[in-house]
Amino acid sequence: GAGVSQSPSNKVTEKGKDVELRCDPISGHTALYWYRQSLGQGLEFLIYFQGNSAPDKSGLPSDRFSAERTGGSVSTLTIQRTQQEDSAVYLCASSLGLREWGYTGELFFGEGSRLTVL
Amino acid sequence: AQSVTQLDSQVPVFEEAPVELRCNYSSSVSVYLFWYVQYPNQGLQLLLKYLSGSTLVKGINGFEAEFNKSQTSFHLRKPSVHISDTAEYFCAVRGGATNKLIFGTGTLLAVQP
Repeated sequence: GAGVSQSPSNKVTEKGKDVELRCDPISGHTALYWYRQSLGQGLEFLIYFQGNSAPDKSGLPSDRFSAERTGGSVSTLTIQRTQQEDSAVYLCASSLGLREWGYTGELFFGEGSRLTVL
Repeated sequence: AQSVTQLDSQVPVFEEAPVELRCNYSSSVSVYLFWYVQYPNQGLQLLLKYLSGSTLVKGINGFEAEFNKSQTSFHLRKPSVHISDTAEYFCAVRGGATNKLIFGTGTLLAVQP
């Protein structure tokens, strides 16, 4: 597609349930990122995939959070046993890789998935 | 580790007045700096970036920013704001060999008539 696509746009779940959020990056972008946006917290880095390299998971807040990227394209962020503090907007972004032709440093963001945990 | 500080969570300003949104960064390596804007109910989009070269960077919608290495700052400025500039503005830093951006907590620019 033309831009980064995320689904669902809104998700309401009950505490303790698992949720999956999907991100479809811009075609040809080898780098993919997940961020979390909460009121007053700005954008919190979660995880970063670059090509076939091991992902940078340094921002994942707990072992309830995990992400995978299949075939170098679509990514799924999974939150197990959701808690109320997980309520936030989860943003996905993609970009060219650092040393790829045409790299400008810009990240292209999706519209986000708003998660509400009751 | 890289970090970004946006001291002002909210900046109210009257239409046609000048504005400066402050951003300070902390990094032990060479840095690349960005400003992103998020209009109400929309996604983030790039406003401007500093990768190298001239320290004065011009972006979209009449915004500019100046990279100041000695003060570790990258403040965003506009000489005359419009109502349509009301949005949240995020400063971000990338350092070294990683493509990962670290964002600040954002500044809400509220332009009043």
